[in-house]
Amino acid sequence: DADVTQTPRNRITKTGKRIMLECSQTKGHDRMYWYRQDPGLGLRLIYYSFDVKDINKGEISDGYSVSRQAQAKFSLSLESAIPNQTALYFCATSDGTSGRIIEQFFGPGTRLTVL
Amino acid sequence: EDKVVQSPLSLVVHEGDTVTLNCSYEVTNFRSLLWYKQEKKAPTFLFMLTSSGIEKKSGRLSSILDKKELFSILNITATQTGDSAVYLCAPEKGTSYDKVIFGPGTSLSVIP
Repeated sequence: DADVTQTPRNRITKTGKRIMLECSQTKGHDRMYWYRQDPGLGLRLIYYSFDVKDINKGEISDGYSVSRQAQAKFSLSLESAIPNQTALYFCATSDGTSGRIIEQFFGPGTRLTVL
Repeated sequence: EDKVVQSPLSLVVHEGDTVTLNCSYEVTNFRSLLWYKQEKKAPTFLFMLTSSGIEKKSGRLSSILDKKELFSILNITATQTGDSAVYLCAPEKGTSYDKVIFGPGTSLSVIP
């Protein structure tokens, strides 16, 4: 079984709809991240969480919100989807016990299309 | 403002060729640099480099970091079709909240 899972894997929605993307991990990591990937722009950080009570905005958090329901679960919401939020979304985890990022483990991605 | 530049953005080579991928960065509170390989889906970790001049090797892949000139290179020798992927460079910032900044990636296509 995959260590980091994302649901749904693909989603098509309409402008103005509320969308939730979910991420679960079995790696036991304390740190979780949400990125979006657009062609030519690489991965950009939306939000990150270093434990259940610690949530921080990344570089492109406008239009998004998150919830860390448990150490293993981190959800990303688009309150009112717009077409320029069409992208590939990745969840990632890392082990923060060393105090370093070292390596992030990525989920398979969610391809979101907003019409 | 933090910046990561990778070059070339795309590259097509024949099997057996050697390629060099470049990454230059301007990142405050730099701590380390990570390389990831992204095939059709999620990125997977390749290397982490923390010191200048230290070459990391894993089979046909090797990487060097130059902290003075703020760049890193990733070399792949005797390329194979399985090396076709996007290679992402990601400097790590050591602030109160550690994070990495991903470059745009180099798309490598290896043709038989």
